[in-house]
Amino acid sequence: NAGVTQTPKFQVLKTGQSMTLQCAQDMNHNSMYWYRQDPGMGLRLIYYSASEGTTDKGEVPNGYNVSRLNKREFSLRLESAAPSQTSVYFCASSEFREGIYGYTFGSGTRLTVV
Amino acid sequence: GNSVTQMEGPVTLSEEAFLTINCTYTATGYPSLFWYVQYPGEGLQLLLKATKADDKGSNKGFEATYRKETTSFHLEKGSVQVSDSAVYFCALSLEKLVFGQGTRLTINP
Repeated sequence: NAGVTQTPKFQVLKTGQSMTLQCAQDMNHNSMYWYRQDPGMGLRLIYYSASEGTTDKGEVPNGYNVSRLNKREFSLRLESAAPSQTSVYFCASSEFREGIYGYTFGSGTRLTVV
Repeated sequence: GNSVTQMEGPVTLSEEAFLTINCTYTATGYPSLFWYVQYPGEGLQLLLKATKADDKGSNKGFEATYRKETTSFHLEKGSVQVSDSAVYFCALSLEKLVFGQGTRLTINP
């Protein structure tokens, strides 16, 4: 099925460990995004990529890095995990068609940093 | 900057009650507006959308009208069901998607 695939679905890290969250889409979308979801705060944009080869900071980029490896893949890296990064992470992609952006979301990665 | 403010939750209703979840926005430009729904343990699904003033988005009995004069996009449903229990997010898009904080809705039988 076409869509956005995120891996892993669950992860537990110790403070200071590093990891990369993977995201891939097969809809040929130009734009991709990483959000984090925290209780009572909705989804906040971490980084986005408007096209292959470009990345930009969102609302909460500190402590994260991203790579737009190719048009399909957009990874999020935590270099030194902190408990404040415990959250649910969503990847999304979008295309602009008929005057509106259409967004597709992955199923999320639940990350716990202890 | 662009922002979305939603009605604070949680909201608890009885089955067949009328639902309104308020949403207002601030935007530098003319955004598209969305409602997303997140069922327990799942990701986000698009519920409905509107692209211009006075557009009405509708889906699964839910409706919302793009009101430019009041910068609002309130979600309504005439008769809710237990299966509507979820978290609802209002969002705007001007290239990037900006979300409200979410409203948790619980429907009791």
